[in-house]
This record gives sequence, C-alpha cells and structure tokens, in this order.
Amino acid sequence: NAGVTQTPKFRVLKTGQSMTLLCAQDMNHEYMYWYRQDPGMGLRLIHYSVGEGTTAKGEVPDGYNVSRLKKQNFLLGLESAAPSQTSVYFCASSSGTGSRETQYFGPGTRLLVL
Amino acid sequence: AQSVTQPDIHITVSEGASLELRCNYSYGATPYLFWYVQSPGQGLQLLLKYFSGDTLVQGIKGFEAEFKRSQSSFNLRKPSVHWSDAAEYFCAVMLDKLIFGTGTRLQVFP
Repeated sequence: NAGVTQTPKFRVLKTGQSMTLLCAQDMNHEYMYWYRQDPGMGLRLIHYSVGEGTTAKGEVPDGYNVSRLKKQNFLLGLESAAPSQTSVYFCASSSGTGSRETQYFGPGTRLLVL
Repeated sequence: AQSVTQPDIHITVSEGASLELRCNYSYGATPYLFWYVQSPGQGLQLLLKYFSGDTLVQGIKGFEAEFKRSQSSFNLRKPSVHWSDAAEYFCAVMLDKLIFGTGTRLQVFP
C-alpha cells in the first residue's frame, strides 16, 4: 500500500494563477482532509470530506475549493493564488466516523506564491 | 475556545538523555489525545494516542505519554533519545475535528 500520496511535491505560482493539488489514498478510507502548515501555527484544517461526493469547510476555507468525485481522491483547488497561500499543504485520510480513528498523512506539497 | 498548547517551541537534548515534551489542552471533558512526529520534509506519523483507560500510553519508537486529568496534560516522554529522534512533534486533540498544537522542534546533539 502506498498510503496517502500527494502531487505535486513542490510548486511555484505567480499571484493570480490557479492550480490543483491532488491527494490519493489506497486504504479505502471514507474521510479525507486538507490541512495547511505555517510556521508557529501548527496544522489548520482547510476542508474535509466525509465520503465520496461530499465536502465541508474547515477552519480556514477561504480562497480554496475542493472536490471528492472519487472515494480515493480529494482535490484542493486554488482559483486565484495569493502570497498568503504560501504554505505546506498536507492531505490526510481516516476510516470510519468515530473520533478514535487515526488520520494518516501524506508527505506534503510545498507551495510558493510569488 | 478549545485549544492545545505546546509551551516549548524548541528543545535541545544530548543523545542518550531523557526527553519530555509538554502538551496541555483546554476542554471541559477528556478528549481523545494524540502525538504525531514530523521528520524533515515528511508528513506526520502517529506516535501514540489516548482514548481511555490506563493513563500511561506506549507508542512507537520507544515513546510514551501520560495523561493527567488534574493538569489537563498529555506529556510525551522518552528515556533515552537517539539522534534519529530529531524532528518536530505535534500534540493534537480530537473533538469534532483534530486540533493541533503549534509543535515542538527537537534537536539532538551527539
């Protein structure tokens, strides 16, 4: 099992450009999450999904959109990138609906917006 | 508001020394508690978790954590640190969502 994978690993964008980050998991997990990690702030939840075809807002959703067309994939989109979106983005997945479920993380995508 | 506090931003220890990383949470009830480790350039890996029962939890890589309800703490410990333990450590609380602390960066000197 590859677990949780993310593409790309690194990307540089100019302000106003758009891009999509792809997260894939092969563990048949229902739940998937997108976080951003910024220095001194830990990880903050952007959006999450409780199943195929569903999405919900997290703590910092503004400027991002997501889609979960297939159970194994969770896409994070930036329609018009801003320098404030420079960050490291992590995807995670978990099974079940209980709070006891462990989240498994991908290796991250480092995004620089100039 | 519920929160997770890791008061130490950066800790430096010598290889072979003992380690304790602090974590405090603010929440009315006992939440589910986690410790994750992030090696440089990597994603987060679960070290251990606490849901209920025995307040001393054993994890991977020789780590353990103790839940103390009276102190609202869930400190991570290791009796003898190895150079490969150098990483960033995150405490997290599961309420309706996973809430992370700001992390503690561990540096290990030979």
